[in-house]
Amino acid sequence: GAVVSQHPSWVICKSGTSVKIECRSLDFQATTMFWYRQFPKQSLMLMATSNEGSKATYEQGVEKDKFLINHASLTLSTLTVTSAHPEDSSFYICSARVSGSPYEQYFGPGTRLTVT
Amino acid sequence: GEDVEQSLFLSVREGDSSVINCTYTDSSSTYLYWYKQEPGAGLQLLTYIFSNMDMKQDQRLTVLLNKKDKHLSLRIADTQTGDSAIYFCAEIPNSGYALNFGKGTSLLVTP
Repeated sequence: GAVVSQHPSWVICKSGTSVKIECRSLDFQATTMFWYRQFPKQSLMLMATSNEGSKATYEQGVEKDKFLINHASLTLSTLTVTSAHPEDSSFYICSARVSGSPYEQYFGPGTRLTVT
Repeated sequence: GEDVEQSLFLSVREGDSSVINCTYTDSSSTYLYWYKQEPGAGLQLLTYIFSNMDMKQDQRLTVLLNKKDKHLSLRIADTQTGDSAIYFCAEIPNSGYALNFGKGTSLLVTP
């Protein structure tokens, strides 16, 4: 149990285009999902907290108009990187917090985004 | 947020024990976690410990918590080559539910 999937696992896009990444909790409900970004050989940096049915909360320095987050159901959150640029190339990882269990969080396998 | 500190690199021989250390920041952190990340993959939850515990053992893994010094360690017994990965220590600070990660310790297990 407690599986989180991400789709796609990797994507290459051209500069200026938009890319949508999906994060799904497969066997549990997740009121809250988190989006992280990881640069090579570095730790995970929290980008935003996504709450079902409400607006996401973005960390300082993260552009909300560039990284659009939608959490439309208890099992799905999406991150759309709009007008992508090469500096947006990174490994994006989501995690899902089990509803009613504040300290149980499970991570997706990550999405490798390369912007050319 | 403040930094969770970990040593960056550890090398051990197959069959030996590995000890990865971590110093966390928030004394009110309720849960502390150890995650494993293999190359190109996401994070796998290895174990977690509640802050009112001193020790937790799970098969080859032993977690020790010194709350006074805000020090957490992960001991892997009989380390195998498949244990080679990056290990992240994480805390949930009092400010919310997002995890605050250390920079990760790269464990290399040699035959």
